[in-house]
Parts: sequence; C-alpha cells; structure tokens
Amino acid sequence: DQQVKQNSPSLSVQEGRISILNCDYTNSMFDYFLWYKKYPAEGPTFLISISSIKDKNEDGRFTVFLNKSAKHLSLHIVPSQPGDSAVYFCAATPGYSSASKIIFGSGTRLSIRP
Amino acid sequence: IAGITQAPTSQILAAGRRMTLRCTQDMRHNAMYWYRQDLGLGLRLIHYSNTAGTTGKGEVPDGYSVSRANTDDFPLTLASAVPSQTSVYFCASSDSGGGASDTQYFGPGTRLTVL
Repeated sequence: DQQVKQNSPSLSVQEGRISILNCDYTNSMFDYFLWYKKYPAEGPTFLISISSIKDKNEDGRFTVFLNKSAKHLSLHIVPSQPGDSAVYFCAATPGYSSASKIIFGSGTRLSIRP
Repeated sequence: IAGITQAPTSQILAAGRRMTLRCTQDMRHNAMYWYRQDLGLGLRLIHYSNTAGTTGKGEVPDGYSVSRANTDDFPLTLASAVPSQTSVYFCASSDSGGGASDTQYFGPGTRLTVL
C-alpha cells in the first residue's frame, strides 16, 4: 500500500495560469514533506519543502500547502511557465533525522501549454 | 563542478549476469543513496550510506549490494540480474549526515534493461 499518493498521473495547464499538484499521505508519523521536479533524462531536483509545524511555505512562484488533518499537501505554481513542464514527485518522511526514511509518490506529469 | 556522475548511461544485460553501476560525486558530501524509479511507483530507496565506511538497507535492498570505500564513490552491484531489476537507477548525495532536511542532489540516472 502506497503511503504517499499522487492520484493524478498527468495535468495540463495553460501558460500563465495556476498549476495545482496534489499529494495525499496515509502515515500520520510523516512530519516533513518535499517536492522534487524531474525533467526527461535528468535526475530529480529539489524544489521546496515544508515541516508539519507550518501550513504554508513559499518560494517565489512555488507555494506548498499542508493540511495535516486531511493528510494532504499541494504544490501551487503561479504563474505557470513552459519550463515548469516536468514530472513532480511528492515525498514525505517521519522526522528530519534520516533521508533513508523518505517515501516518494509516483509522480505527476505537468504539461504547460501555450 | 560535475556534481554527480553515473555510468553507464544505459545498459542491456542478460539475466544472471553481474553488473556494477558506478556513481561518483565531487561535492565531498557525506551521504549517498541509490534509488530505482519504476513507472507508477516513484522512487524507492535501495541502499544508502551516511558516511564513508558505512552502509544501510533501504526499502528494496534484495538483489543489490553496495560499498562505500571512500567519500566520492558509491557503486551498486547486481550479483545476478533478474528481469524485475529492469528500471532506471538514480544515485544521489547530500551534505551532512544524511538528514531528511539536507537537500539531495541526483545524478542523471542509468537505464538498465535485464532480458
């Protein structure tokens, strides 16, 4: 059973609009969450993170929202740009102590159309 | 600065053969990791090393072994490859001791096909 779920395999958004990528988790012990971005033929790159003591973290065009009661987080990209077309992985871990506990979701492929 | 390099870029391997995937980083990071990426399953951790001389098992370690003789290199060995090991393999590294809040830097990946 997947502990981190990205139920939308793909998403298409018009350039300039908001992209919202969703992620659900089942393990209530998760308290640190990350988003990675991956282009074809490249490795993932870290995008943004949030700890469970916060409900929002913002970095430029990227904002992550965390709803602990719903075990749900989302990544908002505003405004969406062509270079945002990539696969986005949500990840979660129970605590800061060890990256070996990070669990990744299956990814959502975002396509930004002109 | 090259960051993390992986070799080979891709490989087709007969089942039962031994294969070593190479990973080298030039960032002097303490921690290194091996993941596999499969369609619909995301990234799963195979093995990790928080510092040279130590290794640990991740979520899917069976059929794989690693060594960490020095800071820079972290090879992944498949002793006897099976078709279920067909995947894209990513090596990553992070500074400090491998904490979850330490940013992981990934290599470009090795696409392995086992027939």
